Amino acid sequence: AQTVTQSQPEMSVQEAETVTLSCTYDTSESNYYLFWYKQPPSRQMILVIRQEAYKQQNATENRFSVNFQKAAKSFSLKISDSQLGDTAMYFCAFMMNNAGNMLTFGGGTRLMVKP
Amino acid sequence: KAGVTQTPRYLIKTRGQQVTLSCSPISGHRSVSWYQQTPGQGLQFLFEYFSETQRNKGNFPGRFSGRQFSNSRSEMNVSTLELGDSALYLCASSNRDRGRLSHGYTFGSGTRLTVV
Repeated sequence: AQTVTQSQPEMSVQEAETVTLSCTYDTSESNYYLFWYKQPPSRQMILVIRQEAYKQQNATENRFSVNFQKAAKSFSLKISDSQLGDTAMYFCAFMMNNAGNMLTFGGGTRLMVKP
Repeated sequence: KAGVTQTPRYLIKTRGQQVTLSCSPISGHRSVSWYQQTPGQGLQFLFEYFSETQRNKGNFPGRFSGRQFSNSRSEMNVSTLELGDSALYLCASSNRDRGRLSHGYTFGSGTRLTVV
């Protein structure tokens, strides 16, 4: 079974600064996907970024980038130039490549961006 | 393109009753997955349906069941409701069968179920 751990229950950052959210996972699989989802108070789960395990290059989406360390089973999210709208719960999630569409989530990190 | 639609948004039920929640996936998506989100247990996978067949199931009691129709819309049913079933129920849709996830895995806004 896969497990996903987010060790930071809460974090805060000043507007315009950079913050990094941590995520580690455990799996015996070699082919999988990793995701970061954002859940604002509206509770809509929004995809921030995803990484395919076979790709060594770290994914980036505008102000969001990841540091994917496959051997260490680490998948951190860096948010640059933080904005007030980034305030939300952030979930790291894992999906195997060949077992259907089933996500295993971490416990989440509550991020507060302060003005 | 319309997103994933979940109805109703809010629901209040009495312990012992049963409830049915609905999820309409993005057009063309054949996979629908259901998740339960609670403050204590976090986000947990319930089950996935693909082309009307359940192909993955999480660790939930038999009171939780689901089905998928030929138009890919899915329903989940919880019978004999307990207070602990109070949660946000999310569904997600995808057009992926197996193999590479070439497109998104998109969530709906959820149904907030309160059991009193």
